[in-house]
Amino acid sequence: GAVVSQHPSRVICKSGTSVKIECRSLDFQATTMFWYRQFPKQSLMLMATSNEGSKATYEQGVEKDKFLINHASLTLSTLTVTSAHPEDSSFYICSASSGGGNSPLHFGNGTRLTVT
Amino acid sequence: QKEVEQNSGPLSVPEGAIASLNCTYSDRVSQSFFWYRQYSGKSPELIMSIYSNGDKEDGRFTAQLNKASQYVSLLIRDSQPSDSATYLCAVKIEAGGADGLTFGKGTHLIIQP
Repeated sequence: GAVVSQHPSRVICKSGTSVKIECRSLDFQATTMFWYRQFPKQSLMLMATSNEGSKATYEQGVEKDKFLINHASLTLSTLTVTSAHPEDSSFYICSASSGGGNSPLHFGNGTRLTVT
Repeated sequence: QKEVEQNSGPLSVPEGAIASLNCTYSDRVSQSFFWYRQYSGKSPELIMSIYSNGDKEDGRFTAQLNKASQYVSLLIRDSQPSDSATYLCAVKIEAGGADGLTFGKGTHLIIQP
């Protein structure tokens, strides 16, 4: 159980274009999902907390107008990287918890974004 | 500021030996602690979770938590080459909150055949 599906797994886009990444909880409902970014040889950095039916909460330094998050249902959150630039190239990973309290996070397979 | 510290390694361990991975955290009110394994180019997968002081064993893995000293460790017995990966320590501050986890930078473990 507790499967999180992320799509696409890999995307290459041109500078200035937008890219949408989908994150789905397949066998549980997730009122909260989390979006992380990981640069090579770096740790996972929390970008934002996605809340179903309300606005996302962004971490300090993350531009909310550049990284648009929509959490329209209990099983789907999307991250759109708008006007992508080469420095946005990274590994984006979504995660969700299948329970409250001390439940661990389960991660999607990640999306490797390359902006040329 | 929440901080989770790990030695980046690489930590090289012969096959069959015990691998010991350590992690310290700065926030005393941290409630939950997790170890994730991440293979290169892949997303993290949960190995162990621990919430109270002491040891927790699951197969070849043992997690140890000492809240007074603010450290958590992971022992891997009978290390196998397939255990070679980066191990991420993660901390959750609020027990009932919806906060995401804070991750350390990870320790790169190499099991030598």
